[in-house]
Amino acid sequence: DAGVIQSPRHEVTEMGQEVTLRCKPISGHDYLFWYRQTMMRGLELLIYFNNNVPIDDSGMPEDRFSAKMPNASFSTLKIQPSEPRDSAVYFCASSAQSFYGYTFGSGTRLTVV
Amino acid sequence: AQSVTQPDIHITVSEGASLELRCNYSYGATPYLFWYVQSPGQGLQLLLKYFSGDTLVQGIKGFEAEFKRSQSSFNLRKPSVHWSDAAEYFCAVGRSYNTDKLIFGTGTRLQVFP
Repeated sequence: DAGVIQSPRHEVTEMGQEVTLRCKPISGHDYLFWYRQTMMRGLELLIYFNNNVPIDDSGMPEDRFSAKMPNASFSTLKIQPSEPRDSAVYFCASSAQSFYGYTFGSGTRLTVV
Repeated sequence: AQSVTQPDIHITVSEGASLELRCNYSYGATPYLFWYVQSPGQGLQLLLKYFSGDTLVQGIKGFEAEFKRSQSSFNLRKPSVHWSDAAEYFCAVGRSYNTDKLIFGTGTRLQVFP
């Protein structure tokens, strides 16, 4: 299995632009999680899905952030418009059942200038 | 609400020395506990986990952790550290009745000197 695949690995964009981050979970995993990691705030859970349905989006910072999971093999996290304070590493993780532990992707490093 | 505390932000050890990374959790019932490791530029990798049973659990890369209910702790240990163990280590806790969402600690950065 190729693991959790995230794209792109790096993204540099100008303030105000739309950014879309992508994630392909491990086949057969029912849970998908989006995390953001910064030096100041550590690892923050943004949103998670179970069987493609958003379960908890209380960590999404504001309306500029949205996430979708149109099918079991693909999810997107979109920021529109982007701001410099959105600069962070965004991780996607998936799990068969969360008490087995998550498998994380390699992350997308986002820089908004 | 459950929470996780990793009191040590940064630890430095010499290669070959023993290691203990501290983790304290706050949760009323029996938690599910995890340790993850993150190498630079990489995602988090699961080292080990505790659900129930034997309070000493073995993980990958020679790591082990001990669950101590009386101290609300789940400390990570390794008898002899290798230079390749330099990384950031995260403790995480999930609720025993609903572990959909794990709560992560702030991490401990391990530096290894030759």
